[in-house]
Amino acid sequence: SYELTQPPSVSVSPGQTASITCSGDQLGNKYACWYQQKPGQSPVLVIFQNSKRPSGIPERFSGSNSGNTATLTISGTQAMDEADYYCQAWDSSTDWVFGGGTKLTVL
Amino acid sequence: EVQLLESGGGLAQPGGSLRLSCAASGFTFSSYAMSWVRQAPGKGLEWVSGISGGGGSTFYADSVRGRFTISRDNSKNTLFLQVNSLRAEDTAVYYCAKVGSVLSSFDYWGQGTLVTVSS
Repeated sequence: SYELTQPPSVSVSPGQTASITCSGDQLGNKYACWYQQKPGQSPVLVIFQNSKRPSGIPERFSGSNSGNTATLTISGTQAMDEADYYCQAWDSSTDWVFGGGTKLTVL
Repeated sequence: EVQLLESGGGLAQPGGSLRLSCAASGFTFSSYAMSWVRQAPGKGLEWVSGISGGGGSTFYADSVRGRFTISRDNSKNTLFLQVNSLRAEDTAVYYCAKVGSVLSSFDYWGQGTLVTVSS
């Protein structure tokens, strides 16, 4: 079965850039997306189709996907960005697969 | 405004069954694939099952195939998940999620319904 690997945790100082990676075999050949989940809340889509932002998602969120790695980048990280982030990939052979999640701490 | 409202969760015994429902509004329900995603307590997200807009195609994670059945009633804008032969490891919050236009992501999520499997 297809697997996506994320670092368990990432720390960033307020105002700095946070990067969260997601690795999978030939991930660049699939569509990758990212979700933000705050405690006690449902996930929210922040990046889809590798690099597109849904309406209402701040411009500081961006994404890329190439080779075996997709990356979520948060520029000018704010305290409100502290959350769990999950990558997810899809293609017709693997259906939908989630990474294990990354806890982003803003300190 | 898109709204997804799950119901049907609760306490079930190992080997038992439940039927989860998700009432959808704010979009043309029959035009979109839908999915169920679960999250065990303190754990990550796990895709469980998906269904095409017309209901003719269904998809399952290996962990639930043969035990869970996804269906939809487009006349009532409702998604279902019949969960049978429940195991302790099925304990989780079950989210209903709308699949986006490009199939690859879930653009709207419900608030979830908790399923607890315990004797």
